Amino acid sequence: EPEVTQTPSHQVTQMGQEVILRCVPISNHLYFYWYRQILGQKVEFLVSFYNNEISEKSEIFDDQFSVERPDGSNFTLKIRSTKLEDSAMYFCASTSSGFNNEQFFGPGTRLTVL
Amino acid sequence: LAKTTQPISMDSYEGQEVNITCSHNNIATNDYITWYQQFPSQGPRFIIQGYKTKVTNEVASLFIPADRKSSTLSLPRVSLSDTAVYYCLVGGLYNQGGKLIFGQGTELSVKP
Repeated sequence: EPEVTQTPSHQVTQMGQEVILRCVPISNHLYFYWYRQILGQKVEFLVSFYNNEISEKSEIFDDQFSVERPDGSNFTLKIRSTKLEDSAMYFCASTSSGFNNEQFFGPGTRLTVL
Repeated sequence: LAKTTQPISMDSYEGQEVNITCSHNNIATNDYITWYQQFPSQGPRFIIQGYKTKVTNEVASLFIPADRKSSTLSLPRVSLSDTAVYYCLVGGLYNQGGKLIFGQGTELSVKP
């Protein structure tokens, strides 16, 4: 069964450093998303991406964040200058259509900012 | 977006049927009801979606009364592996560009 994959599974970085979280969505999907979940809190939407551009972003997704689909398979989230409060699980998701609410989530990347 | 209310936690025993009810009094005509499951340290997983009456799949059943102001996720004969957080989401098929809005969910603990 096709699945969304994410690398790395765990990333430790120093405050102020740049990190890139990588995702490979399911191959025939067209809509891509990033969510994050701070430990013990709810899953929060960050950004949606379709047709090579951002469809929507939340207030969390400020100028320090960017997304890119550099080729036909990868979907990346970059945080330019990490802060302590960026420590969280980051989930990538994809779906084949914007016409339903079934999104397929990856296993997540645990980001720890020291 | 319709606000949802569900119990923070529930306990059950293996082999029992578990029913988790979600209230969504402000549900709009075009809104669908979707349930996700999340195991610790994993991404959420779609379980079931419905608009009205009853929907059943290999994992669960979803009961939606005529007024659609609530819905009940039913898990038949739970096992220890059903211990997870269950989220009720309400939104249109387009759902504001496709994003999912998660609440706090219901933490289900299944005991032997």
